[in-house]
Amino acid sequence: GDSVTQMEGPVTLSEEAFLTINCTYTATGYPSLFWYVQYPGEGLQLLLKATKADDKGSNKGFEATYRKETTSFHLEKGSVQVSDSAVYFCALIPDSWGKLQFGAGTQVVVTP
Amino acid sequence: KAGVTQTPRYLIKTRGQQVTLSCSPISGHRSVSWYQQTPGQGLQFLFEYFSETQRNKGNFPGRFSGRQFSNSRSEMNVSTLELGDSALYLCASRLTPSGRTSNEQFFGPGTRLTVL
Repeated sequence: GDSVTQMEGPVTLSEEAFLTINCTYTATGYPSLFWYVQYPGEGLQLLLKATKADDKGSNKGFEATYRKETTSFHLEKGSVQVSDSAVYFCALIPDSWGKLQFGAGTQVVVTP
Repeated sequence: KAGVTQTPRYLIKTRGQQVTLSCSPISGHRSVSWYQQTPGQGLQFLFEYFSETQRNKGNFPGRFSGRQFSNSRSEMNVSTLELGDSALYLCASRLTPSGRTSNEQFFGPGTRLTVL
């Protein structure tokens, strides 16, 4: 079946550090890939998406590239802020009437 | 444009009771999905509705049910509550369930259910 694996947290960084969260997936066909972010006490917010191989999604300084050859969709940000502290979820929708399949989530803590 | 709204935001119930949660999708969105989020199991898909019909269902017992109205608003019901049903219940809407250009889902703030 379809699945998403992402690196475990928490990831603790200092402000202005470089952030990478690894995400790999298993799916038949050509899924659409997403990163969602969840701030404390809130629901999920769509951060970025990519719908086909080599697409790069970007938003608010975050980027992720759909790599079909390595089945990966790693999230990166060049300079994090304290306000980026949150839980980040990698997810996919398979190439059909599909449900969102989430990874376990990675907590990111950014300290001043 | 208003986002996805969920009511109530918090609920406290006791074992054996039933509960109904409500979700209003983004205007124009016709598909509504429900997810359960717990620390142990993470985010798990419950079901999806489109045009008042359940189109997809996750692996939850029959105590969990839902419906969608003609205005796309959706409700989910949990009967005979168990302690393990304590969770954040998230609703998400999208334009339609298929097609790459419109398949992203937008989430509401969730309903926090506590079962005592």
